Amino acid sequence: GIQVEQSPPDLILQEGANSTLRCNFSDSVNNLQWFHQNPWGQLINLFYIPSGTKQNGRLSATTVATERYSLLYISSSQTTDSGVYFCGGSQGNLIFGKGTKLSVKP
Amino acid sequence: DTGVSQDPRHKITKRGQNVTFRCDPISEHNRLYWYRQTLGQGPEFLTYFQNEAQLEKSRLLSDRFSAERPKGSFSTLEIQRTEQGDSAMYLCASSLAWSSRKGTEAFFGQGTRLTVV
Repeated sequence: GIQVEQSPPDLILQEGANSTLRCNFSDSVNNLQWFHQNPWGQLINLFYIPSGTKQNGRLSATTVATERYSLLYISSSQTTDSGVYFCGGSQGNLIFGKGTKLSVKP
Repeated sequence: DTGVSQDPRHKITKRGQNVTFRCDPISEHNRLYWYRQTLGQGPEFLTYFQNEAQLEKSRLLSDRFSAERPKGSFSTLEIQRTEQGDSAMYLCASSLAWSSRKGTEAFFGQGTRLTVV
C-alpha cells in the first residue's frame, strides 16, 4: 500500500505568520484530502484535492499528482488554526500521514 | 443529512469484555471505513465496505475484531475480549465509490473513544 509522509511534524508560529505544510505519497493516488483534527478528535475536511489548486479563505492547497506531493498553505495564521493537520491519500481507502502539529502563539 | 454519526461517543470497559460500536454513514454514500487512532498518531485503516461487502481488512485487524454492514447502511465494529492495547479513538468515515462523478471525498464521524481498564 501507499506510504504518506508529512512534514514538518511540529510547527510553532506567531499569530499572523504564514506556513506551508507538506504531504508526500509513495505512489499515485486517486484521492488526496487535508483535514484539521479538532480538540475533540473529529477530523474536519479542509480540502478534497486529487490534483490542482484550491483556496478557501486563508487556506489553500496544491496537489502535484505527477510528483506525488501536496501542500497546504495557511496565511495570516490565527490561534484558532492550532491543532493537528493530516493529509490522507487513497487508492481505495485513505492512508494517513502522522500529521503536523501546529501551534499558533498570540 | 447530518453527516456521519457514531455511537457511543465514549466507552469505558473492563478488560476481557466485548464492546460494539455503531456507525451511520451519510445516506447516499456506499463506502464505509473504520479507522483506529492512538495518541500522537494518524488514523490507521482497519477495514472498509462497499455496500454490504467487506472489501479490505488491514493486518491490524486481529481475530478479536469483526465488522459488519448487513444492509449496506449502518455498520458495527465489535471487539471481543478487549485488551488495554485496544484503548483508542475509533473513527468511521463514508464516501462515494471511486467511480462516482461526484468524487470520493470521505467524511468522518466524531469518533468513539474506548478506554479499557
